[in-house]
Amino acid sequence: DIQMTQSPSSLSASVGDRVTITCRASQTISNYLNWYQQKPGKAPKLLIYAASSLQGGVPSRFSGSGSGTDFTLTISSLQPEDSASYYCQQSYTSPYTFGQGTKLEIK
Amino acid sequence: EVQLLESGGGLVQPGGSLRLSCAASGFTFSNYAMSWVRQAPGKGLEWVSGMSDSGGATYYADSVKGRFTMSRDNSKNTLYLEMNSLRAEDTAVYYCAKRLSMRHDAFDIWGQGTRVTVSS
Repeated sequence: DIQMTQSPSSLSASVGDRVTITCRASQTISNYLNWYQQKPGKAPKLLIYAASSLQGGVPSRFSGSGSGTDFTLTISSLQPEDSASYYCQQSYTSPYTFGQGTKLEIK
Repeated sequence: EVQLLESGGGLVQPGGSLRLSCAASGFTFSNYAMSWVRQAPGKGLEWVSGMSDSGGATYYADSVKGRFTMSRDNSKNTLYLEMNSLRAEDTAVYYCAKRLSMRHDAFDIWGQGTRVTVSS
């Protein structure tokens, strides 16, 4: 199985900050990498698919990049409503494994 | 409105069985592959199983292979997850999720989740 490793596991940042979360795959997955946001008690929400494509309705401050084994999710200017957990997921091959998650807190 | 609605969760004893359902509406269900994803209390997301649009292909995580069976009834716009030989570690909120498109295996629509608790 492909292992997905996110870093950091948690972070705290201020409104307006630029935030970056990284995700590393245990083997190459081309651009088959997706990012989700999950708020407490809610279902996950798709933010980015195919490494860098913004899902409809998602604010443009969210962006994704990377290919192969290393990927990043960037929030260009952090907003209060961005407080959530973020997960990467590879869709290169079954099982479609997720990273362990990154909990983002607003200072 | 595109919607997925899970049901069937509850409390079950170890070794018991449960069948989850996921009713789809607002899109052509038979055109999309679907998956089940679970989240244990306080933990991250775990992909459990996936099925092609026709139901001809099914995939499972090793942790549930041989115990869980995924199926779908495209005439009823409903997805199922039959869970047998349940263990304490199967305790989780179970979500059904819709595949974004034929080209992209991301999950763009999720249900609200149904909680499964395995305990004596």
